[in-house]
Amino acid sequence: DAKTTQPNSMESNEEEPVHLPCNHSTISGTDYIHWYRQLPSQGPEYVIHGLTSNVNNRMASLAIAEDRKSSTLILHRATLRDAAVYYCILKYAGNMLTFGGGTRLMVKP
Amino acid sequence: DTGVSQNPRHKITKRGQNVTFRCDPISEHNRLYWYRQTLGQGPEFLTYFQNEAQLEKSRLLSDRFSAERPKGSFSTLEIQRTEQGDSAMYLCASSLRPGTRNTEAFFGQGTRLTVV
Repeated sequence: DAKTTQPNSMESNEEEPVHLPCNHSTISGTDYIHWYRQLPSQGPEYVIHGLTSNVNNRMASLAIAEDRKSSTLILHRATLRDAAVYYCILKYAGNMLTFGGGTRLMVKP
Repeated sequence: DTGVSQNPRHKITKRGQNVTFRCDPISEHNRLYWYRQTLGQGPEFLTYFQNEAQLEKSRLLSDRFSAERPKGSFSTLEIQRTEQGDSAMYLCASSLRPGTRNTEAFFGQGTRLTVV
């Protein structure tokens, strides 16, 4: 499986936008980019996914570089409840999710 | 349906004992996954089922581990002769099969195993 690289941790202020980067230079043409997050003492939860075009949903936006070698998860207004570990995962079709270390997001009030 | 349910939430066992965990997936989901997570690490894949068929097992899944999904609904994960290194959070997830519209995985809250 192609690997992703994320910063170990990031900090944000409450009610400000957060941009979480992910590098995936060895992505293949059939890999989807998935983002999951894991709140403290919870199982991971789905955030968003995309293939080539930018995607928006009620939780976040996903901006995908034109060459697909990087992507950015955007939380438009961080809240304290968004403090979690965010995982960027490349996934081909029916394969299972392969998690890396993720980015620990800390949100300051 | 309230999501993926795992029981028990916590299990403390003595080294050498057998333990069994249960996962009840979202009812219409064909796929069921087991992961293991140790402190500070991301979840590691163990095995997955499509309906009752076990389609893939990780090299992490030693002979002491066995998983079943006998009727394609709930699943059990058994660890025999537990070792201290088995202490971890065991996560279950379910999803629809590939080719359907929404294939995101839904995770349970996990079973935390402590081997003493």
